[in-house]
Amino acid sequence: RKEVEQDPGPFNVPEGATVAFNCTYSNSASQSFFWYRQDCRKEPKLLMSVYSSGNEDGRFTAQLNRASQYISLLIRDSKLSDSATYLCVVNIPYSSASKIIFGSGTRLSIRP
Amino acid sequence: NAGVTQTPKFRVLKTGQSMTLLCAQDMNHEYMYWYRQDPGMGLRLIHYSVGEGTTAKGEVPDGYNVSRLKKQNFLLGLESAAPSQTSVYFCASNKRTDNPYEQYFGPGTRLTVT
Repeated sequence: RKEVEQDPGPFNVPEGATVAFNCTYSNSASQSFFWYRQDCRKEPKLLMSVYSSGNEDGRFTAQLNRASQYISLLIRDSKLSDSATYLCVVNIPYSSASKIIFGSGTRLSIRP
Repeated sequence: NAGVTQTPKFRVLKTGQSMTLLCAQDMNHEYMYWYRQDPGMGLRLIHYSVGEGTTAKGEVPDGYNVSRLKKQNFLLGLESAAPSQTSVYFCASNKRTDNPYEQYFGPGTRLTVT
């Protein structure tokens, strides 16, 4: 089983719609969680951190469910420019350091 | 600031050839990383460095070597390229005092090994 799993999509939704996708993680000791955005043939960029109480940044809301071991990303009023691949990132304690695991990404396509 | 830059952007190698990928950052970051990204696999850490003169293995280090002789540069070497090393390679960096997961990525190097 992969340590971090995401539905690869693609999610194809009309502009203005609300879309949500989840990311599950297998290690219950995972400490920190993030969403990165990656445009086609570009590098990943940090979108937002995910806090235990949930957090919002404009049209984006991130939530963490430790009991079920998943994080989610909700995008409201989606724009054409939201089309990208969204990578889930999890930090897992490892020996005296930690390791960062990237999910393989969920592809989102917003249509006019 | 140029941020994180990578050279070359594209390269085609024959099996058995060697090459070095260069990553440079002008943000005075202590930490630097090399990842590879393959379809359906996500980004996987090859090697990383927490400072000049230090390197450590990541998740998939076999077949690669690295050096960090200067703080701003992190080199990734392939001594004898194999088709399994066909991938997109990303370099990343961050400051030691930053959220360590807020990494700044370079634009990537697309490598094909035939």
